[in-house]
Amino acid sequence: DTAVSQTPKYLVTQMGNDKSIKCEQNLGHDTMYWYKQDSKKFLKIMFSYNNKELIINETVPNRFSPKSPDKAHLNLHINSLELGDSAVYFCASSRASDYEQFFGPGTRLTVL
Amino acid sequence: GIQVEQSPPDLILQEGANSTLRCNFSDSVNNLQWFHQNPWGQLINLFYIPSGTKQNGRLSATTVATERYSLLYISSSQTTDSGVYFCAVGSNAGNMLTFGGGTRLMVKP
Repeated sequence: DTAVSQTPKYLVTQMGNDKSIKCEQNLGHDTMYWYKQDSKKFLKIMFSYNNKELIINETVPNRFSPKSPDKAHLNLHINSLELGDSAVYFCASSRASDYEQFFGPGTRLTVL
Repeated sequence: GIQVEQSPPDLILQEGANSTLRCNFSDSVNNLQWFHQNPWGQLINLFYIPSGTKQNGRLSATTVATERYSLLYISSSQTTDSGVYFCAVGSNAGNMLTFGGGTRLMVKP
């Protein structure tokens, strides 16, 4: 009965590759998010997305793109991976009627 | 954008002690959440508290929105309380949370 799930849990890849991280929520929420946690534990928003609007944090490189096949899924696609993309990526979701966000377990991405 | 500052950055407690963690933010908010990141990296929701006071067991939180701060109280701390406590606020379209830098708590037996 996992609320927000992510796959894979760990991802190790080479520089220059393209990879995707999947996120699914079974809470019936309307809005989903991606956050990045760096090596110093600092958490930063990357995207906010519902079926009407995508909001992108201006600091996110355009190599990162969210893709939503349906309301319960928001996948993160990353092109041309760089060493600096190594981090833990968290997916989250919330209802449109209130703002409380619930987080997935995270995906640790290591770029070699 | 909105600024979020947490204090103290690090805290070491003996088991059984009480503590208060503080979160200051620079603008009005429509969302404020406290999270505990455990040693396994999971972000666990503690409180959704854009204003007012809430209690859950040994934990309680108070947000004074007009003065732009929130406090998290931990009473009778246990070793399992160790980890990083984050305050995060949302004030903009899309409800994107801005996180503080966290308070790293270690509770010693």
